[in-house]
Formats: sequence, C-alpha cells, structure tokens
Amino acid sequence: GENVEQHPSTLSVQEGDSAVIKCTYSDSASNYFPWYKQELGKGPQLIIDIRSNVGEKKDQRIAVTLNKTAKHFSLHITETQPEDSAVYFCAATRSNDYKLSFGAGTTVTVRA
Amino acid sequence: DAGVIQSPRHEVTEMGQEVTLRCKPISGHNSLFWYRQTMMRGLELLIYFNNNVPIDDSGMPEDRFSAKMPNASFSTLKIQPSEPRDSAVYFCASTPGRFEKLFFGSGTQLSVL
Repeated sequence: GENVEQHPSTLSVQEGDSAVIKCTYSDSASNYFPWYKQELGKGPQLIIDIRSNVGEKKDQRIAVTLNKTAKHFSLHITETQPEDSAVYFCAATRSNDYKLSFGAGTTVTVRA
Repeated sequence: DAGVIQSPRHEVTEMGQEVTLRCKPISGHNSLFWYRQTMMRGLELLIYFNNNVPIDDSGMPEDRFSAKMPNASFSTLKIQPSEPRDSAVYFCASTPGRFEKLFFGSGTQLSVL
C-alpha cells in the first residue's frame, strides 16, 4: 500500500515569513495529492490539492509543487499569518480510490 | 448546510462500558467514512460506506468495533466493550461521490478510563 512520510513534524515561523512542508510517497501509481489543515478542536479541512498532470498549483498565499520523478510534493505558505497556525496533513491516493494515505502531520506555529 | 455533525463532542467512560458515536453526513453525500486519530498512528480509516452499504471495514481494529448506517442521514460507530487503548479522536467524513474532497466533522474526543 501507499506510504506517505511528512517533514518536519513541527515548524515555528515568524509572522510574515514562509513555511514549507515536504512529503514523499511510495506508490508511483498515486496521482492525487491533497493537503488538509486541522485547527484546534476541529476536523481536517481540504485547503489545496494537486494532480499528477500538474507540477505546481497556487491559491493566494498557498502553493503546492509536485515532483513525480522523485515522488515528493510540498506545501508552501507565504506571508504567514497567525491564523495559519494549525496542523497540516499531506495525503496521497490514486484518483477515485477512497483510501487516502495521510502523512503524520506538521504542527505549524506562527509567532507574532 | 451545517456540515458533518458528530455527537457527542466529548465522551468519558469507564473500561468495559459501551460507547456509541453518532454522525450526520452532509445532505446529498452518498459516501461516509469513519476515521480514528491518535498521536501514535495518525489518521486511520476505520470503515467506508457507500449508499449506506459498508464497502470496506478492514480498518476496524477488532470485533469490539461495529458501525452501521441505517439511512443516508445517520451513522453510528459502537465500541463494546471499550478499553483504554480506544481513547482517541473519532472523525466522521462524507463526500458527494468523488473521493477527492472529504468533509470532516469536528470529531468526538473519546477517553476510556
């Protein structure tokens, strides 16, 4: 099955700086890579996703990049704000497969 | 829409007791998932329903766990008897058919003493 590794486990950044979270996956057939944000006391919420036919996708201050050859993908948050503090999960799966393989999560803290 | 609704938000019980967690998926969503979240194991898929039918329960840890979906708007996850190692946050999630965006509830924090 798919195995997703996520680094770092914790990340502390100064407000306004950038944050980068990296994930690797094992199944070369995986072609869909979502990112979820989990705020304290809430369930994970999809914030951005990318498919294997695209190398990069951007939505305002967040962007994801995918390197299929190396089997890794990354989340980039620019101009971080206090509300970006949360746990972020990467995931991987084959399109139309109900089994999402989640990374272990990254706790991001944005210091004011 | 109110989103996926789970109850209770917190449950504290003693070992050996029966625990029932409840979930109301988003109206119109025909796929429902139960996940368990722990520090050690992260997010684990317990069971997946499609159109109220259990499709994959391979993630259910043992026979003490059971899940039902009697209709499109309600599902339960039952643990009987509960054990301290069942302590975790249990999430319900639903999706309208394509699996590419899961809508999670706020979870039930279960503590078994």
